[in-house]
Amino acid sequence: AQSVTQLDSHVSVSEGTPVLLRCNYSSSYSPSLFWYVQHPNKGLQLLLKYTSAATLVKGINGFEAEFKKSETSFHLTKPSAHMSDAAEYFCVVSDLGNNDMRFGAGTRLTVKP
Amino acid sequence: ETGVTQTPRHLVMGMTNKKSLKCEQHLGHNAMYWYKQSAKKPLELMFVYNFKEQTENNSVPSRFSPECPNSSHLFLHLHTLQPEDSALYLCASSPEALATVYEQYFGPGTRLTVT
Repeated sequence: AQSVTQLDSHVSVSEGTPVLLRCNYSSSYSPSLFWYVQHPNKGLQLLLKYTSAATLVKGINGFEAEFKKSETSFHLTKPSAHMSDAAEYFCVVSDLGNNDMRFGAGTRLTVKP
Repeated sequence: ETGVTQTPRHLVMGMTNKKSLKCEQHLGHNAMYWYKQSAKKPLELMFVYNFKEQTENNSVPSRFSPECPNSSHLFLHLHTLQPEDSALYLCASSPEALATVYEQYFGPGTRLTVT
């Protein structure tokens, strides 16, 4: 069965500095990988997804992620943080073999002025 | 209204009450989901419906009873809940159930407090 680990429960950055949210996964087959964002009292919104096409995936709001099979990682990055990026971020893995989605525990991003 | 909507947004109920959560999607999708989101825990998948048929029930207690009358509407009927059931309940939809290439679209959630 697949699983996903978000390596940091909380990340704090200053506005205008880069963001790195780390995600490692395990999968028996060809995974699809997703990053979702959740602002307070809101539902989850898709940022980007990888489904076996280009390994560098660009998403909304300037975020991107790179699928690295050798490292079983799918880290989320953004060159310059904005105050509005403060939210909870979830990495999700979905296995082609068993049609199941597994959510990470989430990383809370704080952006300081 | 577009996307996935949920009502009510907030609900406080006693342990002996009966209430229902409603979810509606306006995306033409065939699959709908209920998730439970508790503090400091990963999102928990509760139920999955595909073309109105329940395909997943992840060992959810019987005090939670889902209903899917059509592909656009999903209900979660609640009765004799426990305080530990207090959480944010999220509804989602996708073109097909748990097909790996499709992302899910989430509603804003219902914040449930059981007193």
